[in-house]
Formats: sequence, C-alpha cells, structure tokens
Amino acid sequence: GENVEQHPSTLSVQEGDSAVIKCTYSDSASNYFPWYKQELGKGPQLIIDIRSNVGEKKDQRIAVTLNKTAKHFSLHITETQPEDSAVYFCAATEAGYGQNFVFGPGTRLSVLP
Amino acid sequence: EPEVTQTPSHQVTQMGQEVILRCVPISNHLYFYWYRQILGQKVEFLVSFYNNEISEKSEIFDDQFSVERPDGSNFTLKIRSTKLEDSAMYFCASSERGGRAQYFGPGTRLLVL
Repeated sequence: GENVEQHPSTLSVQEGDSAVIKCTYSDSASNYFPWYKQELGKGPQLIIDIRSNVGEKKDQRIAVTLNKTAKHFSLHITETQPEDSAVYFCAATEAGYGQNFVFGPGTRLSVLP
Repeated sequence: EPEVTQTPSHQVTQMGQEVILRCVPISNHLYFYWYRQILGQKVEFLVSFYNNEISEKSEIFDDQFSVERPDGSNFTLKIRSTKLEDSAMYFCASSERGGRAQYFGPGTRLLVL
C-alpha cells in the first residue's frame, strides 16, 4: 500500500520568510495529493491540492509542486505570517471510487514574529 | 460556506461501553469517511462509505466498528465495546466524488477510561 513520508517534522521561520515542506510517496499509481493545515484542537483544513497531470499549482502565498518521476511533492508558503503556524499534513491517494487518503506524519510550522 | 459537523465534540466513556459518533456531511457530497488521530500522531484512515455501503476499510476498522447512514443527513460511527486504545480524535470527512478533495469536520475527542 501507499506510504507517505514528510520532512521536516518541525520548522521554524521568521515572519516574512518562506517555508518549504517536502513529502515523498511510494505508490506510483497515486494521482491526487492534498495538503491540510491543522490548528490546535481543530480538524484538518484543506489548503491546496494537486493532481498528477499538473506539475505546479499556486494559490496566493501557497504553492505545491509535484515531481512524478521522483515521487515527491512539496508545499511552499511565501511571506509567512504568524497565523500560518500550525501542523501541516500532506496526503496521497489513488483517485477513484472511495479511495482513502494516506497521510504523512505532519510538520509543525512555527512562524516567529 | 457548507461544512461538515460532528457531535459530540468530546465523549468520555468506560472501557467496554458502546459509543456512537455522529456526523453531518456536506449536503451534496456522496462519499463519506471516518479517520482517527491518536494524540500527537498522524491522521489514519478508518473507513469510506458510498451508496449506503462500505467501499474501503483499513485494518484498524475491525468488527468492533460499524458505520451507518440512518437517514439522509447523518453518518455515524459506532464502536461496540470500547478499548483504552480507542482513545483518539475521530474525524468525519466527506467529498463530492471519490478521490476528490475531502472536507473534514472538527472532530470528536473520545476518551476511554
């Protein structure tokens, strides 16, 4: 089955700097890769996703890149703000009938003012 | 903006007791999921549900667990005889179609004593 690894486990950046979180997946059949932000005591919130037929996707300060050959994808947050502080999870799934997500172990991002 | 809701937010129960966790998925979504997150760990898939039947389940989802859509709006997870290791945050999620973005509820924190 699918296995997703995520690095780093913790990341501290100064406000205004960029943050990059990287994930790798094992199943070459996986073709949908969402990123979730989880704040303390809350459910995961979808922030961006990418399909395997696209190499990059951007939404304001957030971007995701995908390298299918290397089986890794990355989350990029630019101009970080204190409210970006949270745990970020990547996930992978083989899109299709009722497919579940396999989550990475998470990255705790701290944006220091 | 439509959202997934879950009740109760917290549940404390004695080992061996039955618990029912409730979810109201987003109204036009057809796929429903349960995940759990043990404190400080990653989100783990339990089960997916479509067209009134289970479409996929993980090894965690053993005979102690069951899911049901008792009416047109609710989606429930039942744990028949809770164990200490069932203590976790349980998240319901829904998606419009399989393999598409899943939207998570705020979770139910279950504590088994």
